[in-house]
Amino acid sequence: QVQLKESGPGQVKASQTLSLTCTVSGDSIDSDDFYWSWVRQPAGGGLEWIGRVYTTGTTNYNPSLKSRVTISVDTSRNQFSLRLSSVTAADTAVYYCARDPIYCTGTRCYHDASDIWGQGTMVTVSS
Amino acid sequence: QSILTQPPSASGTPGQRVSISCSGSSHNIGSNYVYWYQQFPGTAPKLLIYRDDQRPSGVPDRISGSKSGTSASLAISGLRSEDEADYYCVTWDDSLSGRVFGGGTKLTVL
Repeated sequence: QVQLKESGPGQVKASQTLSLTCTVSGDSIDSDDFYWSWVRQPAGGGLEWIGRVYTTGTTNYNPSLKSRVTISVDTSRNQFSLRLSSVTAADTAVYYCARDPIYCTGTRCYHDASDIWGQGTMVTVSS
Repeated sequence: QSILTQPPSASGTPGQRVSISCSGSSHNIGSNYVYWYQQFPGTAPKLLIYRDDQRPSGVPDRISGSKSGTSASLAISGLRSEDEADYYCVTWDDSLSGRVFGGGTKLTVL
């Protein structure tokens, strides 16, 4: 079955860049049928969509984070990555990677919300 | 403040039916599918409802989703203690060109 797993430093210093990688197993990331997303959740807080990437490298970002976010895909390694620059304490959260199916019917395609998630990885921004 | 509005809490007794609302606008719920997640502390969200009212395999039929205009609802009937969790609605927002989550609802089984 398809599994996703986040990896990267658990602690990042304020003003530096947070970098995480999501490794996909059980399926190819080089598929026309999915987008690949990042979502985060601060302790005790709600879910926040960060952005997503398609196999071609096409991206969509949360407008509130767009100036600091880069999401990229590495099909040779079956991975996709998140970079968040100029981090502050407000970026401390559990970061999840997830798979977003594309559903097509007739002439229209819909981008479903995430159906498979990684276990999440905690990232703390320290001063 | 979330783009999608959910009540912060909901509760019910075992066996009861509980409904959780999710209110949005014509830019999001009014023009896109709604999805619902269940999340237990320390774990990743689990997809409960997709495309407004569809259940993934393995989700019991006592859980249902509906949508009318710019609002959506998640209903859980025959409430059980194991339903105690956080629930989130999510959809796409055309004006933001991004996915938006509700603030989440903590369901307590009394």
